[in-house]
Amino acid sequence: AQSVSQHNHHVILSEAASLELGCNYSYGGTVNLFWYVQYPGQHLQLLLKYFSGDPLVKGIKGFEAEFIKSKFSFNLRKPSVQWSDTAEYFCAVRRGGGFKTIFGAGTRLFVKA
Amino acid sequence: NAGVTQTPKFQVLKTGQSMTLQCAQDMNHNSMYWYRQDPGMGLRLIYYSASEGTTDKGEVPNGYNVSRLNKREFSLRLESAAPSQTSVYFCASSELDGTDTQYFGPGTRLTVL
Repeated sequence: AQSVSQHNHHVILSEAASLELGCNYSYGGTVNLFWYVQYPGQHLQLLLKYFSGDPLVKGIKGFEAEFIKSKFSFNLRKPSVQWSDTAEYFCAVRRGGGFKTIFGAGTRLFVKA
Repeated sequence: NAGVTQTPKFQVLKTGQSMTLQCAQDMNHNSMYWYRQDPGMGLRLIYYSASEGTTDKGEVPNGYNVSRLNKREFSLRLESAAPSQTSVYFCASSELDGTDTQYFGPGTRLTVL
């Protein structure tokens, strides 16, 4: 069965530190890849997505992610985090053309001011 | 646009009671989804509706039924609630063939005693 693994469940960083959140998936075919974010008290919203083309994808608020097909990975990065980045981050994978999206368990990020 | 709306926001049920969670979207999206979010498990797909008039099972459909009432509305019914169904339920919608961004509602926090 298709699965998505997020390596860290909780991450604590100080402001200005760099962030990398890991995401690996198990499906070998064509995939669509997403990172969603849930800020405290808010809806889940899309940070960025990859369907095809340049494997380095840029999203909102300075986030980016790199798709490495050979490693089945889609890691999220940000060079310098802010206190306002405190949130829960979810990696999600969908088979190309399909409807079922599989979400990872999420990573709770806390940024200390 | 209100986006995706869900009612109620909170609900407490006793084991064996039934209830329906309502979801509506005003973005003219074809596809709609119901997820449950549990600590450490991320979001899991319960049911989805690729288009008006169709519904399909997701990862965890047991104990639930759905109705795609029209293009705007997609309801989730618990016929006989169980404590294992205590969770936060999210509705989402997306355009076209499901490869686009999902837009999420605010969630319903359900407790089954």
